[in-house]
Order: sequence, then structure tokens, then C-alpha cells
Amino acid sequence: AQSVTQLDSQVPVFEEAPVELRCNYSSSVSVYLFWYVQYPNQGLQLLLKYLSGSTLVESINGFEAEFNKSQTSFHLRKPSVHISDTAEYFCAVTKAAGNKLTFGGGTRVLVKP
Amino acid sequence: DVKVTQSSRYLVKRTGEKVFLECVQDMDHENMFWYRQDPGLGLRLIYFSYDVKMKEKGDIPEGYSVSREKKERFSLILESASTNQTSMYLCASSLEAPANNSPLHFGNGTRLTVT
Repeated sequence: AQSVTQLDSQVPVFEEAPVELRCNYSSSVSVYLFWYVQYPNQGLQLLLKYLSGSTLVESINGFEAEFNKSQTSFHLRKPSVHISDTAEYFCAVTKAAGNKLTFGGGTRVLVKP
Repeated sequence: DVKVTQSSRYLVKRTGEKVFLECVQDMDHENMFWYRQDPGLGLRLIYFSYDVKMKEKGDIPEGYSVSREKKERFSLILESASTNQTSMYLCASSLEAPANNSPLHFGNGTRLTVT
């Protein structure tokens, strides 16, 4: 069975500072990895994904994540956060031939001015 | 844009009641999912469906059932609601399986309180 661990439940950060959200997964087979974001009072939406190829993937709003197979990690980073990045972030995994997505516990990011 | 609509934003029910949570998507997606979201536990999959009248158990199906009579509609049923089913329920849909590079589209959720 696959599982996902997000090591930080809350991350307070000042505006324009960098942030890193940690995600580790466990699976006995090849996986695809995702980050979803949930802004206040909204549904979840896809932020970025790793399926194959380059291990560094980027989103349109400045986030990036790096797939590290040896460390079974998929940490999310942003070099300079904005107030509008305040949200809850979820890491998720599916098996390469799977039909369901397993989510981590979520990390709540609060960006302070 | 894909729209996933959950019929109620807030719902309050009594212990033992039968509860129906409705979800409708407007993009002819094959796959639909029901998750519950609890603080610190993230999203946990209850049931999913990859075709009309087809359903599969997720990670926490106990106490729940589902119905998918039409492609666009996926209902979650709590046969006899209990207080430990108080939670935020999220419906999602996708064109293909998540492993086929098909993102999930989520509704805004139904916050169910069982008293």
C-alpha cells in the first residue's frame, strides 16, 4: 500500500521569505507524485505533478518540487512567498498503474506581512 | 472549466439518520471520488467509481455506501449517521485515472455535523 507523510502540519513564514514543505512517501512500486493547494474556503486544485522525466517540476506561480527517489521525497519550495500563498498544501501519490490518489495530512502555510 | 457541485455546503444531522450527500460534475468525467477531510489526517478516500454503476472501496469505506446511476452524479450515503462521521466531505472527478496524467477536480465540500 502507498502512504504519504507531510512532516509539518503548520508553517508560519514572513512575506518574501523562502518556504519548504516536506513530503515523504512509501510505496513498493513506481509512483506519480502531486501537490494540491486549498485556498481558504475553496476546493483543492492541482499545483504541480511529477510523472516522469526531469525530477524538478515547476508551477506557474513560482513553486517547484523535486522528486528524489533514493530519499522517497517530493518536497515543495518557493524562494519568496506572497500573502496570497496562504493556504493548505497537500502532497499526494498514486501508483504508476493506479486509479486512486492517496493524500498526506496537509501543511497549513500562513504568510505574515 | 470543470465544475464539480456538491449540493450542500453545510449539513446538520442527528445520530442514526440516513444522510445523502450529492455530487454532480459537468464534464463527462469517467472517474468520481468521495474523500473526507479531517485536521491532521488530510484527505482519506472513502469510495470511488470509474464508470456508471461501478464502485470500489477506498481506504475507509466502513459506515458508507455510494450510488452512481448516472455518469454525472455520484452520491455518498451514510446509512446511520454517527458522531464520528462529523467531517468535511469532498467530491472529486477526473477524466481518466490519476495515473494517466488526469488531475482531480474538486467540489467546495460539504461540512457535515452529526449531533
